Amino acid sequence: NAGVMQNPRHLVRRRGQEARLRCSPMKGHSHVYWYRQLPEEGLKFMVYLQKENIIDESGMPKERFSAEFPKEGPSILRIQQVVRGDSAAYFCASSPSATHNYGYTFGSGTRLTVV
Amino acid sequence: KQEVTQIPAALSVPEGENLVLNCSFTDSAIYNLQWFRQDPGKGLTSLLLIQSSQREQTSGRLNASLDKSSGRSTLYIAASQPGDSATYLCAVWGGSQGNLIFGKGTKLSVKP
Repeated sequence: NAGVMQNPRHLVRRRGQEARLRCSPMKGHSHVYWYRQLPEEGLKFMVYLQKENIIDESGMPKERFSAEFPKEGPSILRIQQVVRGDSAAYFCASSPSATHNYGYTFGSGTRLTVV
Repeated sequence: KQEVTQIPAALSVPEGENLVLNCSFTDSAIYNLQWFRQDPGKGLTSLLLIQSSQREQTSGRLNASLDKSSGRSTLYIAASQPGDSATYLCAVWGGSQGNLIFGKGTKLSVKP
């Protein structure tokens, strides 16, 4: 079991470009969560998805950010028209269910730098 | 709104010392609490998961306790080693939100 896989590990984008971050959950996990870690700040929840459904996007900025978790393939976090303030580490986590019996397993993150 | 606070923000100890990291949360209606370790530039590694019905969990030199009624958890590290140097994060699940709420972490440095 390869764990939660995120790619790319590092991503550099110029202002105005699009960033696409990918997350493949652990085998058997159908719940995916995206978190953002800004420099010197804690991890902040962004969005919670199950296959083909967005369950909770209360932490996602209203503009330029979107997320999906298709029936086949990885979950994608998409940031359009990136700005310098989007530079952060983006982490994905997965769990086998939405109940409290299981903890979250995190990936190694994608570090986005906007230049 | 759930808030998680970790004290101290940074801690430096000599190798071999036993130490305690503290975590407090404002809403006691949690389902579980999880301790993570984060190495610089790396992802999060889950250390211990404590369900709300449990008082403590142990793994090797690590012991985590949970006092839900007072909104506190501690992570005890015995006989610390330089390899324990990392940032330790506490996160709670539940309350009014269905996602993990993190503290800002305690940055631990163990000097040889």
